[in-house]
Amino acid sequence: DARVTQTPRHKVTEMGQEVTMRCQPILGHNTVFWYRQTMMQGLELLAYFRNRAPLDDSGMPKDRFSAEMPDATLATLKIQPSEPRDSAVYFCASGLTGGSTEAFFGQGTRLTVV
Amino acid sequence: GENVEQHPSTLSVQEGDSAVIKCTYSDSASNYFPWYKQELGKGPQLIIDIRSNVGEKKDQRIAVTLNKTAKHFSLHITETQPEDSAVYFCAASRSGGGADGLTFGKGTHLIIQP
Repeated sequence: DARVTQTPRHKVTEMGQEVTMRCQPILGHNTVFWYRQTMMQGLELLAYFRNRAPLDDSGMPKDRFSAEMPDATLATLKIQPSEPRDSAVYFCASGLTGGSTEAFFGQGTRLTVV
Repeated sequence: GENVEQHPSTLSVQEGDSAVIKCTYSDSASNYFPWYKQELGKGPQLIIDIRSNVGEKKDQRIAVTLNKTAKHFSLHITETQPEDSAVYFCAASRSGGGADGLTFGKGTHLIIQP
């Protein structure tokens, strides 16, 4: 069945290292979102793309975070250098304009920066 | 920007009783209000949504009500069952979760007591 796939599911890394999270949106969806979930802040929108073009990244710390969509089947979120405060669960979601209003979420990547 | 407040943060009810979770929003331009259920280790999953041109929507044991004038909306679960135990999030958007980003409430941990 159609689903959003995220890899890796878990990542432990040392402070200062680069981290890359990947997302395969549902085939045919034209909008891809990155959210971050922490106990303190809850679910926050970091950035999103429409037809592979960045539409809004105002929720993303610009100095260390970057998001890209190299092609329609892959979205990436990169943190360089990583810091302990980046520890969170990062969710990718995808949706379709003009159709269902639902955003479909992946299982998330749990990132721990030590 | 939009701000969504959600109450209570934890709700414990006896199996078979009803549960009600309430949210308020600030942006009068928001017109799409979904509710997501998140189980441990999984991504949020849409359970019901409502648009601002509708005051109430029901799907089996789940119903959502919306008061656009007061800017608040509620989730009602009747005849609660053990599998209803999870974290529930309300959210708001101007266009739809699949087209625009969602602003989420902080979540309600619903506990169904046997």
